[in-house]
Amino acid sequence: AQSVSQHNHHVILSEAASLELGCNYSYGGTVNLFWYVQYPGQHLQLLLKYFSGDPLVKGIKGFEAEFIKSKFSFNLRKPSVQWSDTAEYFCAVIFSGTYKYIFGTGTRLKVLA
Amino acid sequence: EAQVTQNPRYLITVTGKKLTVTCSQNMNHEYMSWYRQDPGLGLRQIYYSMNVEVTDKGDVPEGYKVSRKEKRNFPLILESPSPNQTSLYFCASRSGQGTRGDTQYFGPGTRLTVL
Repeated sequence: AQSVSQHNHHVILSEAASLELGCNYSYGGTVNLFWYVQYPGQHLQLLLKYFSGDPLVKGIKGFEAEFIKSKFSFNLRKPSVQWSDTAEYFCAVIFSGTYKYIFGTGTRLKVLA
Repeated sequence: EAQVTQNPRYLITVTGKKLTVTCSQNMNHEYMSWYRQDPGLGLRQIYYSMNVEVTDKGDVPEGYKVSRKEKRNFPLILESPSPNQTSLYFCASRSGQGTRGDTQYFGPGTRLTVL
């Protein structure tokens, strides 16, 4: 079955630490990949997306993600987090031949000032 | 401004009392979805619609109904709410029907509590 895994459910970091959140998907075909962020009490907003081309994708607020096809992964990174990055982060995938977003279970990031 | 709106934002109701959560988008998007968000489970799709009068079940459709009579509106109906439907609900829309990286836009959410 098509699925998306986010293995880190909770992450706590100090400001200026580097961040990497894992995202793996189950299927080997063509995929479109997304990272969304949900700040406390708010709706989901797109951070970045990949559907073709350069596998290193840059998004808003200094985030980037790298698509590694051989590892079925699309990990989110930020070199230096800020307190304002405290949020929940969701990876999502559209698998080839479907129209459906499949979301991971999310990673709650808390950044300590 | 491009947006997805939902109403109400907060709702407390009792078991069995029918309710409707409205969703509207102003981006002329074909594809609309309803999700519920529960701790530790992420977002799960309830129903989706690929265009007017075209709807289909998502992963957790039991206890819900939808309709798509107009392109901009996609209401979620709970005919007989139960406590296990207490959740945070999001409506979302996106253009097109392909897999070409369409960005999905989310509404602000409706926090529903069923007593």
